[in-house]
Amino acid sequence: NAGVTQTPKFQVLKTGQSMTLQCAQDMNHEYMSWYRQDPGMGLRLIHYSVGAGITDQGEVPNGYNVSRSTTEDFPLRLLSAAPSQTSVYFCASSGDRAGEKLFFGSGTQLSVL
Amino acid sequence: QKEVEQDPGPLSVPEGAIVSLNCTYSNSAFQYFMWYRQYSRKGPELLMYTYSSGNKEDGRFTAQVDKSSKYISLFIRDSQPSDSATYLCAMSGIQGAQKLVFGQGTRLTINP
Repeated sequence: NAGVTQTPKFQVLKTGQSMTLQCAQDMNHEYMSWYRQDPGMGLRLIHYSVGAGITDQGEVPNGYNVSRSTTEDFPLRLLSAAPSQTSVYFCASSGDRAGEKLFFGSGTQLSVL
Repeated sequence: QKEVEQDPGPLSVPEGAIVSLNCTYSNSAFQYFMWYRQYSRKGPELLMYTYSSGNKEDGRFTAQVDKSSKYISLFIRDSQPSDSATYLCAMSGIQGAQKLVFGQGTRLTINP
């Protein structure tokens, strides 16, 4: 039972490069989300989705894009990486209607030079 | 002022001690309250979930919510070295996870 799987675990980018962080869940959860975690800032919501084909912005969406073509997958795209996007990124999913009971992946440590 | 305030610690206690972790908040619309535990280099995992005011107990863990004071607590009894982790409070209103706000986390170490 894999739960929420994130790849890669570590990534180093140069400023201006683009990349996609992958997230997949095998629990048939409708709700999925992306958070970033920075020291002293806690977890901040980037984007979320309440089902396939439906996405919306969270607290800090600038510089990121998402899509949800299937229930299982919710990739996060960095369009043009900036040093301010250096962070740990977590994908999460939830099976309850309001989505508070989140299951998190193990995270992606991203450094932008 | 942040919507949710949590003392980042670090907090270090001896094994067997009772640990008290706390968060205060300013948004009176919050009604769902959670505690997540995060081990080093891992994702957070849901530890406790409560709705509205009151207490909830699960083994050695007790969550308390005092909505009149806008204050929530997590108590850990008979603390173990395996409880060493960062504990994050989180809360939301009727919008659910779309407006889920996390505290910055308290780093806890239990010394054998």
